[in-house]
Amino acid sequence: DIQMTQSPASLSASLGETVTIECRASEDIYNGLAWYQQKPGKSPQLLIYNANSLHTGVPSRFSGSGSGTQYSLKINSLQSEDVASYFCQQYYNYPPTFGGGTKLELK
Amino acid sequence: EVQLVESGGGLVQPGRSLKLSCAASGFTFSNYYMAWVRQAPKKGLEWVATISTSGSRTYYPDSVKGRFTISRDNAKSSLYLQMNSLKSEDTATYYCARQNNIGTTDYFDYWGQGVMVTVSS
Repeated sequence: DIQMTQSPASLSASLGETVTIECRASEDIYNGLAWYQQKPGKSPQLLIYNANSLHTGVPSRFSGSGSGTQYSLKINSLQSEDVASYFCQQYYNYPPTFGGGTKLELK
Repeated sequence: EVQLVESGGGLVQPGRSLKLSCAASGFTFSNYYMAWVRQAPKKGLEWVATISTSGSRTYYPDSVKGRFTISRDNAKSSLYLQMNSLKSEDTATYYCARQNNIGTTDYFDYWGQGVMVTVSS
C-alpha cells in the first residue's frame, strides 16, 4: 500500500495569513491526489482533486500543487471558517490511502 | 443537490453484527461506484469498502475482508454495509461516500454526515 505522510500534524496561524500543508507519498502517485477539509463535528468535504483542480464551490483561496511524491495544499488569506482538519488521499493506486491529517487552528 | 444519509449505527457487543444503510438522492445512483470510509475517534480516515455500479464487484482492505460486506439496491438508491464479527477496533464514525469515477480507486466527491458505531461490552 502507498503510505501518505502529512506535515505538520497541527498548525496555528493568524487571520489573513497564508498557510501551506504538505503531503508526501511513499512512491510516485502521478497527481492522483485529493485534499479534504473536515470541520469540527462534520464530515469531510472535497477541496482539490488531481492534485490541483478545485472542486465545485470551493473558494479560490484554496490551491493545490505538486508532482511525483510531494504535494501541497495552500490557503491564501486565512479565514475563520477555514479552521478544520485537512487530509490528503492518494487514488493513483489501489487501495486508496489517506494521510494522517493536519489540524489548523487560529492563533 | 447530492445527499447521502446514513443510518443504523449504535452500540454493539464484540462479535455481534450490525448493518448500516445509506440513502442517496440528487444524482443517478446507479451510475456511480460507492464506498464506505470510517474514522476512529480523534483519528484519521480509513477506506473500508467499495462497490461497482451494478454491485457485481466489491473491494475491501485486509482489516475488514471476510467480516464486512458492501451491497447496494439501485432501485432504492441505497447502499449498505453488513458488519459481522465486530471488534473494538471497528469503533468509528462510518461515512457513505460517492466515488467520482468508475474503477477500483478514485477520490470521493460527496460524503454523508456519518453514523457512529461503538463496539463495546
